[in-house]
Amino acid sequence: DAGVTQSPTHLIKTRGQQVTLRCSPKSGHDTVSWYQQALGQGPQFIFQYYEEEERQRGNFPDRFSGHQFPNYSSELNVNALLLGDSALYLCASSLAREGLVVYFGPGTRLTVL
Amino acid sequence: LAKTTQPISMDSYEGQEVNITCSHNNIATNDYITWYQQFPSQGPRFIIQGYKTKVTNEVASLFIPADRKSSTLSLPRVSLSDTAVYYCLVGYQTGANNLFFGTGTRLTVIP
Repeated sequence: DAGVTQSPTHLIKTRGQQVTLRCSPKSGHDTVSWYQQALGQGPQFIFQYYEEEERQRGNFPDRFSGHQFPNYSSELNVNALLLGDSALYLCASSLAREGLVVYFGPGTRLTVL
Repeated sequence: LAKTTQPISMDSYEGQEVNITCSHNNIATNDYITWYQQFPSQGPRFIIQGYKTKVTNEVASLFIPADRKSSTLSLPRVSLSDTAVYYCLVGYQTGANNLFFGTGTRLTVIP
């Protein structure tokens, strides 16, 4: 049973560019959340998707958008990249009825130059 | 979501029992307490969850007093591989959840 997978593992972009990160949830999970983790900080909630709709959103600008597909996989898109967007981006999946028990993927390390 | 307070860091020798306490004075009636472990450059990993009294699994124990305003994660006989950041989270068990991780407790196990 595969856990949460994310791609790519690492990514280097320049300011102003756009990036798409991908996530496949743990088998059987219907809810996907995205987190941003800066160096030395705890993960910060970006948004959560359930039934292909954004259910909750953290304090992130509209440059951050997402999508959930019918197979529950998800994408995170970031437009007009800033240096401050450099971070580890974590995808987490869960069942809607077990919201506190989430399974995280290995993350995508994004570097913006 | 109830705010939590944890020590920033702790050191322990191998083989000792480690107790990490988390304060959550504003915990709501329906809130559960959940702990995660994170190694560098990896996603956090669920350790244990509880509502009241004591919960034990193969990894750790979680002690919750009657007033539920704090909780203690207990790691028995730690090894070097337990060096990680430990996060305490409080929130509803079901439904949409904005997990607030805070900065966690950085545990360093010393040989």
